[in-house]
Amino acid sequence: NAGVTQTPKFQVLKTGQSMTLQCAQDMNHNSMYWYRQDPGMGLRLIYYSASEGTTDKGEVPNGYNVSRLNKREFSLRLESAAPSQTSVYFCASSSRLSTDTQYFGPGTRLTVL
Amino acid sequence: QKEVEQNSGPLSVPEGAIASLNCTYSDRGSQSFFWYRQYSGKSPELIMFIYSNGDKEDGRFTAQLNKASQYVSLLIRDSQPSDSATYLCAVNAKGGTSYGKLTFGQGTILTVHP
Repeated sequence: NAGVTQTPKFQVLKTGQSMTLQCAQDMNHNSMYWYRQDPGMGLRLIYYSASEGTTDKGEVPNGYNVSRLNKREFSLRLESAAPSQTSVYFCASSSRLSTDTQYFGPGTRLTVL
Repeated sequence: QKEVEQNSGPLSVPEGAIASLNCTYSDRGSQSFFWYRQYSGKSPELIMFIYSNGDKEDGRFTAQLNKASQYVSLLIRDSQPSDSATYLCAVNAKGGTSYGKLTFGQGTILTVHP
């Protein structure tokens, strides 16, 4: 039981490049989330998926797209990376989109030059 | 006004003391309250959650909730150097566009010195 896994762990991009961050969970959770964490800003929600087949914008969705590939997997895509997207990205999952605890993956540290 | 506010610290306490971490929130409809601990370079991990007014104890940790004052706190008794981390307060709104989504505070850095 690995919980929530993320790939890659580290990534360096040049401005304008694209990439996809992968996330998978093996807890049979319905809801999945993508956050970014910047110094002094706490965790901010980018996108979330309440259940398989649905996705919704969070607090800071601009510049990102997501895909809920199946119940286990939720990917985050940067189409044209910008230096402002330099951050640590966390994927999380929970049983339901309500009061349930969210479990976090190990994170991806992304640098955009 | 931020939706969830924490004193960023750092909060420094001696080993064996009680560490008190505070959090205020602005949405009166908030229903669920979480405390996460995050070690440097690691992901957040849940310490406690609380839904009802009053105190909830789990080992050395006590969460306190006062919905009338829109205030939630975390007490750590017998603090240990291994408790040194950033503590994140998170609030889950009841309804509207924020339903089901956690809003995090910026975190309080706690240092426990021997």
